[in-house]
Amino acid sequence: DVKVTQSSRYLVKRTGEKVFLECVQDMDHENMFWYRQDPGLGLRLIYFSYDVKMKEKGDIPEGYSVSREKKERFSLILESASTNQTSMYLCASSLQYNEQFFGPGTRLTVL
Amino acid sequence: AQTVTQSQPEMSVQEAETVTLSCTYDTSESDYYLFWYKQPPSRQMILVIRQEAYKQQNATENRFSVNFQKAAKSFSLKISDSQLGDAAMYFCAYRRGPPLTGANSKLTFGKGITLSVRP
Repeated sequence: DVKVTQSSRYLVKRTGEKVFLECVQDMDHENMFWYRQDPGLGLRLIYFSYDVKMKEKGDIPEGYSVSREKKERFSLILESASTNQTSMYLCASSLQYNEQFFGPGTRLTVL
Repeated sequence: AQTVTQSQPEMSVQEAETVTLSCTYDTSESDYYLFWYKQPPSRQMILVIRQEAYKQQNATENRFSVNFQKAAKSFSLKISDSQLGDAAMYFCAYRRGPPLTGANSKLTFGKGITLSVRP
């Protein structure tokens, strides 16, 4: 089975802190994605990557950056966390044209 | 840009009954893929069913089936013999078709619908 893991299920940070969310997949997938999920807004794509060191902006990239140094790992970085970044963050991966497999999510609270 | 609309935020169904979840989308493309994902409470999102736009036959997976109306840009999910474990949030999603480059791998999601199942 495909496994997508995220470094934390719950995270509490303070405003202005630098936050790293890690995602690892074990199925040699080319594509990896970061979404945020908010009530009434569904899933919105922050960034995605279709190859090592490649990244593309999604629909809401402001305030975020990403890093993909290895194929299996995709990191989401909040350079200076703000309260409006309190959300559920979901990582996903996929082969070139197959469905996406999701991680369990990280619920981030910024105080 | 493609958009996906799930107009009903919540639905409820009696156990063992059938329920249909609605989804419409907007695209100018002729080839694409559609998905239904399920997110149980506090659990990982999983794929329920997928449909290729070039296929006229509606996809089915056990108790789950879709009604794909390409001209109407409608993609509804029917759950038959509903079970308590079907209670979840369901998301409809769209992905562009070929060329199958990395940029075309991203999904556009609807806002989701919360399905509750009454025992």
